[in-house]
Amino acid sequence: EDQVTQSPEALRLQEGESSSLNCSYTVSGLRGLFWYRQDPGKGPEFLFTLYSAGEEKEKERLKATLTKKESFLHITAPKPEDSATYLCAVQGAFGSGSEKLVFGKGTKLTVNP
Amino acid sequence: KAGVTQTPRYLIKTRGQQVTLSCSPISGHRSVSWYQQTPGQGLQFLFEYFSETQRNKGNFPGRFSGRQFSNSRSEMNVSTLELGDSALYLCASSKSPNYEQYFGPGTRLTVT
Repeated sequence: EDQVTQSPEALRLQEGESSSLNCSYTVSGLRGLFWYRQDPGKGPEFLFTLYSAGEEKEKERLKATLTKKESFLHITAPKPEDSATYLCAVQGAFGSGSEKLVFGKGTKLTVNP
Repeated sequence: KAGVTQTPRYLIKTRGQQVTLSCSPISGHRSVSWYQQTPGQGLQFLFEYFSETQRNKGNFPGRFSGRQFSNSRSEMNVSTLELGDSALYLCASSKSPNYEQYFGPGTRLTVT
């Protein structure tokens, strides 16, 4: 069964204090790993898709990386507006029976000014 | 470009009733997926539709059903509501099953 585990469950940072969020996964043939950001009371907002080990993507203060077993979301010099829950999801290869998105439970990030 | 829209945004129902939720995808998107989000279980996949056909279904009882129309709009129905069905129901659309999904704001369902 496909599984996604995110750690830590919650993270408090001071503004400017860089850190990383972890997403460990098991899936039958990875088609893609997705990162989303979710603010309270809203739907998840798409951030990145990673397809193969070694791939990296960046957006403003966020950088996502992928290995064969896990992904990291690096946050450089965070600001209070980066406070949100960050969700990781995996999708298996088509025809593998694991085509649906499986989400982790998220990391709740709080950045204090 | 308008995002995914869901109606209604909030809903209060009584146990035993049924409910229908609606989702309009981003223009040009033909794939629609539905998810249930609760504090304890997180985001759980309900079903996915593409070109009016259900492609995948999650591990939910038959009380949960859905459909997609020719204009890609989708509805999900929950019959015989239970207290445990209280959740945020999210709809997501994508160009096709190969592409990233974009979520709507959700429908907050409360069952009393």
